[in-house]
Amino acid sequence: DAKTTQPTSMDCAEGRAANLPCNHSTISGNEYVYWYRQIHSQGPQYIIHGLKNNETNEMASLIITEDRKSSTLILPHATLRDTAVYYCIVRVWNNAGNMLTFGGGTRLMVKP
Amino acid sequence: DTGVSQNPRHKITKRGQNVTFRCDPISEHNRLYWYRQTLGQGPEFLTYFQNEAQLEKSRLLSDRFSAERPKGSFSTLEIQRTEQGDSAMYLCASAKTDSSGYTFGSGTRLTVV
Repeated sequence: DAKTTQPTSMDCAEGRAANLPCNHSTISGNEYVYWYRQIHSQGPQYIIHGLKNNETNEMASLIITEDRKSSTLILPHATLRDTAVYYCIVRVWNNAGNMLTFGGGTRLMVKP
Repeated sequence: DTGVSQNPRHKITKRGQNVTFRCDPISEHNRLYWYRQTLGQGPEFLTYFQNEAQLEKSRLLSDRFSAERPKGSFSTLEIQRTEQGDSAMYLCASAKTDSSGYTFGSGTRLTVV
């Protein structure tokens, strides 16, 4: 699976949009971009995933560049409960395990 | 169904003792994964089951570690002769085949003293 690069930490004001970048310049054509987050003392939580089109769900939006070498997770109105470590993962969709490979993630601090 | 359940939530053990953790996945999920997470790091893959078959094991899974999923439902992870370096959060996740994402449990935090 392709490696990802994320900033170590970011701050965001409560109520503002949080934009979390991820670089995956070596991504292959059959690799998806996944985002998970981990709130302190809990297991990681799935947020969203995409292949090449932008995606939106009730939690967030995922914007993938046309060349697929980078993406941005957008939390439109960040709350204090969005303070967490956010992991960007790229992996192939197949039937042979689908295990996730986590990097260090971005520690997002939402401030009042 | 309330999600993936892990027990115990916390375990303190003396070095050299054996410990066993349990994971109850979401009932219709046939895939089950174990991960380990140390402080400040992302989770690291340990092993994976499809139904009762253990299909992949990481190099991190030394011979002191063994995992089972005897009936394709719950799973256990046993660590024999624990060492201080085994102190970590042990996370379990489950998924359906071809599902979009995993569901993780809250983990078991192991402290070896």
